[in-house]
Amino acid sequence: AQKVTQAQTEISVVEKEDVTLDCVYETRDTTYYLFWYKQPPSGELVFLIRRNSFDEQNEISGRYSWNFQKSTSSFNFTITASQVVDSAVYFCALSGVNSGGSNYKLTFGKGTLLTVNP
Amino acid sequence: EPEVTQTPSHQVTQMGQEVILRCVPISNHLYFYWYRQILGQKVEFLVSFYNNEISEKSEIFDDQFSVERPDGSNFTLKIRSTKLEDSAMYFCARGVGTNSYNEQFFGPGTRLTVL
Repeated sequence: AQKVTQAQTEISVVEKEDVTLDCVYETRDTTYYLFWYKQPPSGELVFLIRRNSFDEQNEISGRYSWNFQKSTSSFNFTITASQVVDSAVYFCALSGVNSGGSNYKLTFGKGTLLTVNP
Repeated sequence: EPEVTQTPSHQVTQMGQEVILRCVPISNHLYFYWYRQILGQKVEFLVSFYNNEISEKSEIFDDQFSVERPDGSNFTLKIRSTKLEDSAMYFCARGVGTNSYNEQFFGPGTRLTVL
């Protein structure tokens, strides 16, 4: 069974602060993918990043960065110099595979509500 | 960016009624998924659909649910007899990629309210 844990239910920061959202996952698959999605107050799910289990290189995209550590089964997300528009619920998700090799479903964590105050 | 549209954006129905939620991909794709999100909770997988067949379904996806792609374009989720606990946001997603692990792009969702 797969599991994604986002221990931080809510985080509140002041604009321009850096903030890290934690994600810990469990899977028995040797190959898997990790994702982050953003859900702003409008409700849609916005894809942010996908990371392969065999690629532990960290990634930076503008103010966003991701730290994937297989040894600790973590895939943390950092927003640098946060802005009010970053306020949203952020979901970490895991995609595995079944015996037939065709399971693409996403298992989501419970999400972290980030509030960035001006 | 790849797009998926969903209709209606909001559906209000009475308990016991049938509802059909629609997902319209902009272009032809093989992989589709339905997820639901009860208000304030996490997103949960319902069913995956590959090459016009169900490839996997979750425990939530019981006999009250069905999916089909009636005209080769629209992708529908039907709930035969809605219950109060079916009230949720329903997201359609399409897979992008040709291997077993692909990015899933979500539609804007349909908010279903069962009274």
